[in-house]
Amino acid sequence: KNEVEQSPQNLTAQEGEFITINCSYSVGISALHWLQQHPGGGIVSLFMLSSGKKKHGRLIATINIQEKHSSLHITASHPRDSAVYICAVPNTGTASKLTFGTGTRLQVTL
Amino acid sequence: ETGVTQTPRHLVMGMTNKKSLKCEQHLGHNAMYWYKQSAKKPLELMFVYSLEERVENNSVPSRFSPECPNSSHLFLHLHTLQPEDSALYLCASSSGGGGSPLHFGNGTRLTVT
Repeated sequence: KNEVEQSPQNLTAQEGEFITINCSYSVGISALHWLQQHPGGGIVSLFMLSSGKKKHGRLIATINIQEKHSSLHITASHPRDSAVYICAVPNTGTASKLTFGTGTRLQVTL
Repeated sequence: ETGVTQTPRHLVMGMTNKKSLKCEQHLGHNAMYWYKQSAKKPLELMFVYSLEERVENNSVPSRFSPECPNSSHLFLHLHTLQPEDSALYLCASSSGGGGSPLHFGNGTRLTVT
């Protein structure tokens, strides 16, 4: 089973700050997912990436396959970015099954 | 609107009750999932249905019983639950395989008293 570790667990930032959330995993993968969970519980898929970098608005996700590490960056953070950010990787041998990190709780204040 | 709709949003039930959670997707996906999210724990996969057939049952107690009557609907039937089953239950769908993004519903917050 793939092991997933996220850091930090909790993060507080002021509006406008650049934010980085990290994710490490133990076994080589085909693709890594970044998800966002808002306080109401709903989860939105932000990125699915297998190499390099992807950008969507103020969000940037990078992955280093050799290092088994991915980062999620938020530029010019805003209070509406406050959420839990979760990374997930496929379980070894079972492509349909994902292992999820415990999430990083981000609070952006004014 | 995520494309995946779950009802109810909140549910309180006693240990002897029987209730059902419902999930509906109109994204044309052929795989549907039930996940459980307990406080301060990662998401746990409960069941996977692909093309209406259950392909994964992740050692879930029999008091949870899934049903997938067609590719757009997924149910989770609950009976004789325990207080430790209180959690957020999330439904998701995808076009199949680990290479497809998941689309989640907003979840049902279940409290067992």
